[in-house]
Amino acid sequence: DIVLTQSPATLSLSPGERATLSCRASQSVGNLVTWYRQKPGQAPSLLIYDATNRATGIPARFSGSGSGTDFTLTISSLEPEDFAVYYCQQRSHWLTFGGGTKVEIK
Amino acid sequence: QLQLQESGPGLVKPSETLSLTCTVSGGSISSYPYYWVWIRQPPGKGLEWIGSMFHSGSTFYNPSLGSRVTISADTSKNQFSVKLSSVTAADTAVYYCARGAGGYNLDNWGQGTLVTVSS
Repeated sequence: DIVLTQSPATLSLSPGERATLSCRASQSVGNLVTWYRQKPGQAPSLLIYDATNRATGIPARFSGSGSGTDFTLTISSLEPEDFAVYYCQQRSHWLTFGGGTKVEIK
Repeated sequence: QLQLQESGPGLVKPSETLSLTCTVSGGSISSYPYYWVWIRQPPGKGLEWIGSMFHSGSTFYNPSLGSRVTISADTSKNQFSVKLSSVTAADTAVYYCARGAGGYNLDNWGQGTLVTVSS
């Protein structure tokens, strides 16, 4: 199985600050990484696919980068709705998800 | 607008079979090139892929769940279902159905349904 490790587990930031979330794969997954945001009590929603592509309707403050084993999700300026849990997912070999990063209000 | 809705019992006894159905509206489960996927999330924990069905009917399962999982479809009702046998408390989770586009980019999700395994 391909294991995805997300860091940090929790990120404490203020609205307007920049968030940088990391996802590391146990072996190369090419660019087959997807990012989701999960607000409390809701299903996850698609943010970024194929490591760098914003999904339909996702604002430009979200960006993804990386390839191989190291991936990053950046939120350039946090809005209130961005305080949530973020998951990365790989689809190189079946599907696995990272353990999540919680972005909380400082 | 595509919508997915999970339905099924919220309580299942240990050793029995969990059965859930996902009803899809606003699009056909037979449409190329989509996957129809089941994901679960234990309370307070992360996401786990259970299995998938391609638009053609081919199925794929998480090896960690072994032969306990079966996914099937009823195209006449535009529904797909999951059965998980021999459940234990470890199978207590919110179960989501979702659509996979462009491979497994899960672009539409149901709201999820909590299934508790308890006697």
